[in-house]
Amino acid sequence: EDQVTQSPEALRLQEGESSSLNCSYTVSGLRGLFWYRQDPGKGPEFLFTLYSAGEEKEKERLKATLTKKESFLHITAPKPEDSATYLCAVQDYSGGYQKVTFGIGTKLQVIP
Amino acid sequence: DAGVIQSPRHEVTEMGQEVTLRCKPISGHNSLFWYRQTMMRGLELLIYFNNNVPIDDSGMPEDRFSAKMPNASFSTLKIQPSEPRDSAVYFCASSLATISTGGNEQFFGPGTRLTVL
Repeated sequence: EDQVTQSPEALRLQEGESSSLNCSYTVSGLRGLFWYRQDPGKGPEFLFTLYSAGEEKEKERLKATLTKKESFLHITAPKPEDSATYLCAVQDYSGGYQKVTFGIGTKLQVIP
Repeated sequence: DAGVIQSPRHEVTEMGQEVTLRCKPISGHNSLFWYRQTMMRGLELLIYFNNNVPIDDSGMPEDRFSAKMPNASFSTLKIQPSEPRDSAVYFCASSLATISTGGNEQFFGPGTRLTVL
């Protein structure tokens, strides 16, 4: 069974203080690893898909990286509007190919 | 596009009552997912459909839960009878599934916050 563990559970940063969120995963065969952002009272919003180890993707102040066992979401010089819960999810090749397993998430708070 | 549409946004009901949640996926998407989110367990997949056919319902907690997708633009999740432990936020998501080596990102609706008293 696929497993996704995210750390830390919560992170508080000062505006401009860069940091990284971790997503450790266990899958039989990785089809894709996803990062989502979720604001309070809203549904998750898609950010990135990573497919293979060594791959990186960037969007504004966010950069996602992938190894064979974990993914990192790097946040450079964060702003208060980056405050949200960040969810990591994996999709594998076994069983139903559309099934995705989510982690609990990291709640990020950026203080002005 | 309006995105995934869910209704109602909030539902408060009493134990034992029937609850029906509704979802309209993004036009052109061929896969639809129902999730439940709680603080303790995060996002849990309940069931997903591909081309209106249920593919995996192993996440449906028990027989009190049922889901249907009568056509490509509408799905329902029904709980009968409802219990207090069913209180959670229920999300519907859709995606365009392709036979490819890559993963398929999902697009989520705003959710329905269900409270069972």
